[in-house]
Amino acid sequence: AQSVTQPDIHITVSEGASLELRCNYSYGATPYLFWYVQSPGQGLQLLLKYFSGDTLVQGIKGFEAEFKRSQSSFNLRKPSVHWSDAAEYFCAVAYQAGTALIFGKGTTLSVSS
Amino acid sequence: DAGVTQSPTHLIKTRGQQVTLRCSPKSGHDTVSWYQQALGQGPQFIFQYYEEEERQRGNFPDRFSGHQFPNYSSELNVNALLLGDSALYLCASSGRQGSNSPLHFGNGTRLTVT
Repeated sequence: AQSVTQPDIHITVSEGASLELRCNYSYGATPYLFWYVQSPGQGLQLLLKYFSGDTLVQGIKGFEAEFKRSQSSFNLRKPSVHWSDAAEYFCAVAYQAGTALIFGKGTTLSVSS
Repeated sequence: DAGVTQSPTHLIKTRGQQVTLRCSPKSGHDTVSWYQQALGQGPQFIFQYYEEEERQRGNFPDRFSGHQFPNYSSELNVNALLLGDSALYLCASSGRQGSNSPLHFGNGTRLTVT
């Protein structure tokens, strides 16, 4: 069965420090991969997506993610975190375009000053 | 350009009651999906509607049903509410089914069952 694992439930990063959020998926073929962010009381906002091609994808708000097929991973990175980045981050996969997303349980990011 | 809009924003119901949640998709989108997000969890797929028909369904009981209207808006109905149905219900819309159009989510309806 397809699944998504986000190993870190909660991460705290100092403002200005770099960030990496981990995501591993279980699926036979190359899935469609997504990162979403959710602020308290809000819906989910798409940060970036990977369908094919260049394995390093750029997203909004200075985020990027790298697809590594050999590790079944799609980790999210940001070189310098801002206090406004504090939120819940979800990794998601779909087995084909336009189909249901399978989400991980999320990672809560706290930013300390 | 309005995004995905959901109503109501909050709802409190009693066990055994029925509830209807509503969603208007983003302009230009014709596919609507519903997700349930329990506290502290990631969203779980309920079902997807396209051309007024249910196209995909997740692992949810028949108490969960839906509808899509000709203007692409959608409703989620839950019958015989259980305490465990308390969650944030998210509606998401996308372009033509099968395209690479990513999902755009609304802010959700917070359902509390007492």
